[in-house]
Amino acid sequence: GAVVSQHPSRVICKSGTSVKIECRSLDFQATTMFWYRQFPKQSLMLMATSNEGSKATYEQGVEKDKFLINHASLTLSTLTVTSAHPEDSSFYICSARDRERGQETQYFGPGTRLLVL
Amino acid sequence: GENVEQHPSTLSVQEGDSAVIKCTYSDSASNYFPWYKQELGKGPQLIIDIRSNVGEKKDQRIAVTLNKTAKHFSLHITETQPEDSAVYFCAATPGGYQKVTFGIGTKLQVIP
Repeated sequence: GAVVSQHPSRVICKSGTSVKIECRSLDFQATTMFWYRQFPKQSLMLMATSNEGSKATYEQGVEKDKFLINHASLTLSTLTVTSAHPEDSSFYICSARDRERGQETQYFGPGTRLLVL
Repeated sequence: GENVEQHPSTLSVQEGDSAVIKCTYSDSASNYFPWYKQELGKGPQLIIDIRSNVGEKKDQRIAVTLNKTAKHFSLHITETQPEDSAVYFCAATPGGYQKVTFGIGTKLQVIP
């Protein structure tokens, strides 16, 4: 149980294009999902918290107009990187809280490797 | 806000030996402490967690201890195997709907 999937697993795009990453909780309902960014050999940096049916809460320094988050259902959240640039290249990971199992535990997706040329 | 410090940043052990990773936290309101294992190119996987009302928790070769007074918690892996090689992250949160703060990670290498 508690499986989180992400799609795509990796994506290469040209500078200036937009990229959408999907995060799904496969066997549980997630009222809250989180989006992280991870640089090589570094820890996870929280970008935003996504609550189903409401606007996402962004961490300081994260541009909400650049990283659009939509949490349209209890099993799906999407992150859209708009007008991507090479500096946006990174490993993006989502996580979800299982509302049945407790408020604290987060289950992570496998991550999406984004490369912007 | 919460600050989690983790050490060592790298750890090499011989197969069969034990490995210990230590973390400290700053926010006395934190009451939930998960540990994650991340293999190269993959997302973190929850391996064990502990809540503040418990001092120790064990799951086969993995154990976690918590000292609330000192704000310390540690991960212990016994009888290490090559497949234990990965980056391990500790984390802390006050729970509820508050965010989780992660340590910097420890790269564990188990030498066959």
